[in-house]
Amino acid sequence: KAGVTQTPRYLIKTRGQQVTLSCSPISGHRSVSWYQQTPGQGLQFLFEYFSETQRNKGNFPGRFSGRQFSNSRSEMNVSTLELGDSALYLCASSLGGGLAGVETQYFGPGTRLLVL
Amino acid sequence: DQQVKQNSPSLSVQEGRISILNCDYTNSMFDYFLWYKKYPAEGPTFLISISSIKDKNEDGRFTVFLNKSAKHLSLHIVPSQPGDSAVYFCAAGGTGFQKLVFGTGTRLLVSP
Repeated sequence: KAGVTQTPRYLIKTRGQQVTLSCSPISGHRSVSWYQQTPGQGLQFLFEYFSETQRNKGNFPGRFSGRQFSNSRSEMNVSTLELGDSALYLCASSLGGGLAGVETQYFGPGTRLLVL
Repeated sequence: DQQVKQNSPSLSVQEGRISILNCDYTNSMFDYFLWYKKYPAEGPTFLISISSIKDKNEDGRFTVFLNKSAKHLSLHIVPSQPGDSAVYFCAAGGTGFQKLVFGTGTRLLVSP
């Protein structure tokens, strides 16, 4: 089975721009979660999607949004980029039969975003 | 409020010796715990998990111990190998939790 894939792998943007990141989950997985990783902060939860619906959301501003398509692929959008948004953005998928907190999540390689 | 804490940002161990990575949690409702390993420029890879009905789970060189009364879990790697050098994250979740909560990670360096 193919793993979780994320595109693009690297991205450079300038302040004020917007960006869209894509995630394709493992086949058969219906839950997709997004995380932001910055040095010293671990993995900060952004949101989780299941069956095209946002099921849970972390403490990030409204500039961070996402969506999920009928094939379980997910996109994450960040508008009006700030320097502090520079980070590694990870998506993880799980089967989704239960809540995301009881399932093992499998991560993609991440998208490294640099905001100048 | 950091519900899952990895108080040691780094750990150095010699090849062949035991590596012990520690993780503490504050929420007694957590009943499912996981360890992930992360290499630079890659996503975290699932290593091993344990549910609160057990106090030990073993998979090859990796063993996770859970001490519910102390709200503490640890990952033992025996014997340690240079390829184990990575950042290790512990995570917690369980029944009723809508997400996994991750610690900040411990960087393990295994030297030959």
